[in-house]
Amino acid sequence: KQEVTQIPAALSVPEGENLVLNCSFTDSAIYNLQWFRQDPGKGLTSLLLIQSSQREQTSGRLNASLDKSSGRSTLYIAASQPGDSATYLCAVYTGANSKLTFGKGITLSVRP
Amino acid sequence: SAVISQKPSRDICQRGTSLTIQCQVDSQVTMMFWYRQQPGQSLTLIATANQGSEATYESGFVIDKFPISRPNLTFSTLTVSNMSPEDSSIYLCSVEFAGALYEQYFGPGTRLTVT
Repeated sequence: KQEVTQIPAALSVPEGENLVLNCSFTDSAIYNLQWFRQDPGKGLTSLLLIQSSQREQTSGRLNASLDKSSGRSTLYIAASQPGDSATYLCAVYTGANSKLTFGKGITLSVRP
Repeated sequence: SAVISQKPSRDICQRGTSLTIQCQVDSQVTMMFWYRQQPGQSLTLIATANQGSEATYESGFVIDKFPISRPNLTFSTLTVSNMSPEDSSIYLCSVEFAGALYEQYFGPGTRLTVT
């Protein structure tokens, strides 16, 4: 059974800091990994998707990497801003029954 | 990508009643999913709803409690039946386009509070 872990559960940083959010998964047989952003009480916004054959993806100030063999992914946020404050979830797609397995998320607070 | 809407956006309901949540997509999709996010928790898949077939439920979820309809390729409903306070959650629908790298897109969610 696939399990996805995100540690720590919460993170607080000052504005302007570069930061890394970690995600680990137990079964390396994945099709892809997605990073999502969720604002309080809202739905999910897809940030980046990395296919299993890729090592990284970039979008603006965000860079996500994937090391499938070790079961790890990181989301790098450059020059953090208060508007980046949200919960960041990673999810892996195993392909079995099209199932997306989520971590519990990391709640990020960027202090002005 | 897709534009996904859900109705209602939020509701407060009394225990023992039922609520039907609607999910509308702006383009045709084969696969639609319903998730539950309990307070402080991550997302849990309730069921997969493909047009023209019965919904497939995950372990711990049953059709009598969460009946799902999928009448066409752009619309689905999830009913939360005989509600109890434990059903208080955010319910989200998502879609997956065939051949689109298995990327899923999510609706804005329905925040349900059961009193």
